[in-house]
Amino acid sequence: AQSVTQLGSHVSVSEGALVLLRCNYSSSVPPYLFWYVQYPNQGLQLLLKYTSAATLVKGINGFEAEFKKSETSFHLTKPSAHMSDAAEYFCAVSQRILGNNDMRFGAGTRLTVKP
Amino acid sequence: DAGVIQSPRHEVTEMGQEVTLRCKPISGHDYLFWYRQTMMRGLELLIYFNNNVPIDDSGMPEDRFSAKMPNASFSTLKIQPSEPRDSAVYFCASSQSSGNTIYFGEGSWLTVV
Repeated sequence: AQSVTQLGSHVSVSEGALVLLRCNYSSSVPPYLFWYVQYPNQGLQLLLKYTSAATLVKGINGFEAEFKKSETSFHLTKPSAHMSDAAEYFCAVSQRILGNNDMRFGAGTRLTVKP
Repeated sequence: DAGVIQSPRHEVTEMGQEVTLRCKPISGHDYLFWYRQTMMRGLELLIYFNNNVPIDDSGMPEDRFSAKMPNASFSTLKIQPSEPRDSAVYFCASSQSSGNTIYFGEGSWLTVV
């Protein structure tokens, strides 16, 4: 079964600094990979996804992630953090098997942005 | 477009009571998922359906939990009897078999006292 590991349950950055949230995956077949964001008291929103096209994926709010097969990683980055980026971020993986749409989530990383 | 709709948004109930959470998936989506989110265990997949048929319920904690999908536009997650340790946020989500993205509802915040 597929799984993801998010390194660091809490990340704190200063406003304007680089954001790097780490995610490593495990999958027996080529995966689909996702980053979701959850703002306080809200559901999960899709930030971006990798589905076998370009390995560098751009998402909403200036975030991007790079799929690195050799490292089994899909780290999320943003060049300059904004206060509004403070939220919990989840990496997720699902397998590219027709009919198997179950998605497995990491434990989440809470991002704090300091003024 | 209407997203995944969940009700109730918040529920506080006493231990031993029956709780029913409801979900309306996005129209045209043939997969429906129930997730539970807690501080201790994070986001857990409880069960998912394809074309109204339960495919994998291995995440359902115990027999007190049951889920049904009587038609393509409605699903319920029931807890009977409820216990304080069931307090969590329960998310419903849906997707298309031809797609690869899961769309989440806003969640049902359950507190069992």
